[in-house]
Amino acid sequence: GAGVSQSPSNKVTEKGKDVELRCDPISGHTALYWYRQSLGQGLEFLIYFQGNSAPDKSGLPSDRFSAERTGGSVSTLTIQRTQQEDSAVYLCASSFIGGHYGYTFGSGTRLTVV
Amino acid sequence: RKEVEQDPGPFNVPEGATVAFNCTYSNSASQSFFWYRQDCRKEPKLLMSVYSSGNEDGRFTAQLNRASQYISLLIRDSKLSDSATYLCVVDDYKLSFGAGTTVTVRA
Repeated sequence: GAGVSQSPSNKVTEKGKDVELRCDPISGHTALYWYRQSLGQGLEFLIYFQGNSAPDKSGLPSDRFSAERTGGSVSTLTIQRTQQEDSAVYLCASSFIGGHYGYTFGSGTRLTVV
Repeated sequence: RKEVEQDPGPFNVPEGATVAFNCTYSNSASQSFFWYRQDCRKEPKLLMSVYSSGNEDGRFTAQLNRASQYISLLIRDSKLSDSATYLCVVDDYKLSFGAGTTVTVRA
């Protein structure tokens, strides 16, 4: 597609349930990032992929969070046993290697844990 | 110390005014810098890259000061549509975002 696609756009889940968020990067972009943004806050780095490998997982808040990327394309972010503090907008961005032309963000998944 | 720090504002300016704000970064080895804009409840969008020599894109001018480790953004002849939060981004393979500077342009 022409842009970074994220699904679902909105997700309401009950506390304790698992959720899976999906990101389809721009075709040909090798780098893929996950961020989250709580209401009124800045962007918090979660994880970075270069191809299928994740050199930096340092931003994942706890072991309930995991992410994978297959075929150098689609990535999924999984949150197990969701908690209310997980409520946020989860943003995915992709770029060509080196990011010299900037990074393109998807429109995000708004996760609400009730 | 945070990796990227910005003056949160808000900057409230009339149409046609010039507004400028800075962002400081902690890693002296950082090489790539960007300004993004984020509208309310929308994703960040690239406004411009910041080059060592400084660069201009229409009414927007970005500057980099490596000695003092800051970048700046200047908006001339501001428009109502410039109202947004401007995010400073430092790219050390991991994008580090400032918390944003809010600009409101009033009629």
